[in-house]
Amino acid sequence: NAGVTQTPKFQVLKTGQSMTLQCAQDMNHNSMYWYRQDPGMGLRLIYYSASEGTTDKGEVPNGYNVSRLNKREFSLRLESAAPSQTSVYFCAIKMRQVTTDTQYFGPGTRLTVL
Amino acid sequence: KQEVTQIPAALSVPEGENLVLNCSFTDSAIYNLQWFRQDPGKGLTSLLLIQSSQREQTSGRLNASLDKSSGRSTLYIAASQPGDSATYLCAVGYNNNDMRFGAGTRLTVKP
Repeated sequence: NAGVTQTPKFQVLKTGQSMTLQCAQDMNHNSMYWYRQDPGMGLRLIYYSASEGTTDKGEVPNGYNVSRLNKREFSLRLESAAPSQTSVYFCAIKMRQVTTDTQYFGPGTRLTVL
Repeated sequence: KQEVTQIPAALSVPEGENLVLNCSFTDSAIYNLQWFRQDPGKGLTSLLLIQSSQREQTSGRLNASLDKSSGRSTLYIAASQPGDSATYLCAVGYNNNDMRFGAGTRLTVKP
């Protein structure tokens, strides 16, 4: 997963607490994504950013905010964490591969909300 | 609704066996389809990417096929090895920013 870093790797929160998940890339790509992965389900897109300063909602944006202040970093914020947000969160970037696009994933952040 | 289904959810085979993992999708207007591997507690590693205009892609012992008209893709693994044990995820790209994932097939290859 070199090129996309996520911090923290693990986090435990109490209901109602807030936190920010950080994602950074050193590959100079425009598009970045946040997904969540729950047991028995595929990854679901929370938010994405096509370029610095722009963000758009994905499939499951409720309860989250994002920020893309520069090209390198894309952060995901939980303002008031809920147990339903217990999940593994992955950040990804879009890369050009030959004549099509693919996504390259970070190692993930494992979040538990009690 | 764009849904992606992977069958079986789990598969256990003896070492050396050839195997097929299945992926089906409801919306055939795809941009591309990708197979990923995920090891326990790790991120996703891209295995094969098939563009919508292609029928298959091969890499080593892996071969992925795509049939848009029937909404199906298969991942064929030849001569399976214990090191192939992992969860395999199918992801269907519907446009530049919309990728839908299946829940995965958990593969165990027994020595």
